[in-house]
Amino acid sequence: EVQLVESGGGLVKPGGSLRLSCGASGLTFSDAWMIWVRQAPGKGLEWVGRIKSKADGETTGYSAPVEGRFTISRDDSKNTLFLQMTSLETEDTGIYYCSTERAGAMDHWGQGTLVTVSS
Amino acid sequence: QSALTQPATVSGSPGQSITISCTGAYNDFAFYNYHNYVSWYQQHPGKAPKLMIYEISNRPSGVSPRFSGSRSGNTASLTISGLQAEDEADYYCSSYTTSSTYVFGTGTKVTVL
Repeated sequence: EVQLVESGGGLVKPGGSLRLSCGASGLTFSDAWMIWVRQAPGKGLEWVGRIKSKADGETTGYSAPVEGRFTISRDDSKNTLFLQMTSLETEDTGIYYCSTERAGAMDHWGQGTLVTVSS
Repeated sequence: QSALTQPATVSGSPGQSITISCTGAYNDFAFYNYHNYVSWYQQHPGKAPKLMIYEISNRPSGVSPRFSGSRSGNTASLTISGLQAEDEADYYCSSYTTSSTYVFGTGTKVTVL
C-alpha cells in the first residue's frame, strides 16, 4: 500500500521560508513523478508543481503564483520529496498535499500539512 | 491559468443519478501522448482528495462503477449513478494543459437530499 506522509508545516511570518517534506513508502519512489497541491482554508484545490523522476531528468514545473519562490526537489535515497518555500505571502496559507502522478492524474495522496503565513 | 468551471452545488435524492460538468478553454484539455488527461477527485470534509476517474473515463481499482466520466468538446462530466449518502462530498475535476501544468476545477459540493 502506497503511503505518503507530509511534515514541516507550521506558522511563519510573511517573507519567511519553510521546507515541507513528504515521506513515501509502498512504491518505487525513484520511479515516481511527484506533485504538490495546496488548498487554502475553505477554498478549492490548487496545483503547485511537480518533479519528474531522475530517469526522466528530474524536470520540475510550477504554477504561476509560486514560480521563482518555491522549489521542488527529491532525495531518492531517503524516499523523500521536498517543497522549499521562500518569500512566503499570506496567500500561501493552506494545507499542502503531496501526491504521486500517473497517467495524467494524482493517484495517491498524503494527509496534508498545514502552512500558516501570518504576522 | 484560470480554474476550470464547475457548478457550485449539485444535489439529488438517494438512488438518483447526477452529473457534474467541468468546462474550460480549448487548451485546458490537452491531448498529450495520445491521451486526454482529465481526472476527477472526491474530497470529504477534513480529508485528502481521492482519485475517482482518470483519462476522462477510467476508474482506479476500488472505485465504485457508479462513478463514470465522459467528455464532449471543452466540457468533461462526472456522473454518479445510484446516489448514496456516502457520495456527499466535494468533487473537483482536473486537466493537464498545453503548458505542461495542471489546472483544477472550481469544485462542486454534492448534497444527498
